[in-house]
Amino acid sequence: AQSVTQLDSHVSVSEGTPVLLRCNYSSSYSPSLFWYVQHPNKGLQLLLKYTSAATLVKGINGFEAEFKKSETSFHLTKPSAHMSDAAEYFCVVNPGFQKLVFGTGTRLLVSP
Amino acid sequence: GAVVSQHPSRVICKSGTSVKIECRSLDFQATTMFWYRQFPKQSLMLMATSNEGSKATYEQGVEKDKFLINHASLTLSTLTVTSAHPEDSSFYICSARDQDWDEQFFGPGTRLTVL
Repeated sequence: AQSVTQLDSHVSVSEGTPVLLRCNYSSSYSPSLFWYVQHPNKGLQLLLKYTSAATLVKGINGFEAEFKKSETSFHLTKPSAHMSDAAEYFCVVNPGFQKLVFGTGTRLLVSP
Repeated sequence: GAVVSQHPSRVICKSGTSVKIECRSLDFQATTMFWYRQFPKQSLMLMATSNEGSKATYEQGVEKDKFLINHASLTLSTLTVTSAHPEDSSFYICSARDQDWDEQFFGPGTRLTVL
């Protein structure tokens, strides 16, 4: 079965410093992978998705992720954190049949 | 992106009562909608897949008689929690799949509290 593991439940950064949110996947074939962000009282928003085109995927708000098959990873990065980036981030895999399987989430805290 | 709404955003009910949650796709048609459940500080768990005009497909361990799903139109799916109990208290989130974009768009969620 396909699954994703988010290695950190919380990540704290200072505003203006880089962000790294880690995600490893388990799949018997090349999966579709996504990163979603959840702000309080708002719906989940798609940041970016990988669907076997380019391994480096650029998303919204300056986020990007790199698909590394050799490491089974799909880490999310941003060069410079902004206060508004503070939220819950989910790494998600599509195992087929239109379903999405969510990781446990990483809460990003951004301090001034 | 496309917009999905949920109503109500928050509901408190007594144990034993039933609660209906609506999920609407506002500017696109969704033949498939999904219902998720999220416990505090936990991830989203898929409960069921709702297909317009046909029966919902439930994930393993989800009681279909407890969580009734109706997808009567291309823009509306409802989830009814029947005979709710305190353990049903959770955050319920729906999503709708836009076939043109092959993407799921999520609603803002409904927080259910059963006393």
